[in-house]
Amino acid sequence: DQQVKQNSPSLSVQEGRISILNCDYTNSMFDYFLWYKKYPAEGPTFLISISSIKDKNEDGRFTVFLNKSAKHLSLHIVPSQPGDSAVYFCAASALWGSEKLVFGKGTKLTVNP
Amino acid sequence: EPEVTQTPSHQVTQMGQEVILRCVPISNHLYFYWYRQILGQKVEFLVSFYNNEISEKSEIFDDQFSVERPDGSNFTLKIRSTKLEDSAMYFCASSDREGDEQFFGPGTRLTVL
Repeated sequence: DQQVKQNSPSLSVQEGRISILNCDYTNSMFDYFLWYKKYPAEGPTFLISISSIKDKNEDGRFTVFLNKSAKHLSLHIVPSQPGDSAVYFCAASALWGSEKLVFGKGTKLTVNP
Repeated sequence: EPEVTQTPSHQVTQMGQEVILRCVPISNHLYFYWYRQILGQKVEFLVSFYNNEISEKSEIFDDQFSVERPDGSNFTLKIRSTKLEDSAMYFCASSDREGDEQFFGPGTRLTVL
């Protein structure tokens, strides 16, 4: 059951450059999407979300883009900082009828100084 | 900043024993969740809880699992007779509105021997 897919297990970028993390989903009932960041031995930390009525949401260095027709979303981090190094999870839910979050497998981001 | 807390951080138990994992959600939140992550795998939804009853549960959440909100602050997950395959990180989460972002605790690492 891979309703939410993060096809890149890892990504390495230089400090100051843009990090782009991608996520695809298959369930057309999903209408709310979230990105979480996770450090080792900690729980997922909420970063940013977007509902299906929007195609972009921005919060400081983090921007999430949603392409509903392609069932694709991406997280942009600009500029990337070494402290951004973590595992990033994409998650989705269907606001009506289900509250559960369905997670992708995660992408490990490494930002090199 | 309010946060979700979980105890213990690490629980080691023998197969067949009962365990209770404890969580204190954020105080004004009304929706509570348990997720788990087996090593190397995705974060998986177990159960959601609202208004003192289970609102949704996954296939994983069988008769061996139960949840309870014994008082105004704690939210517990009980596994009646643990199996080796129950070994995982268990995350508690809470949210203040249906469909809002869920805030996660640091997790309890359960090891079943």
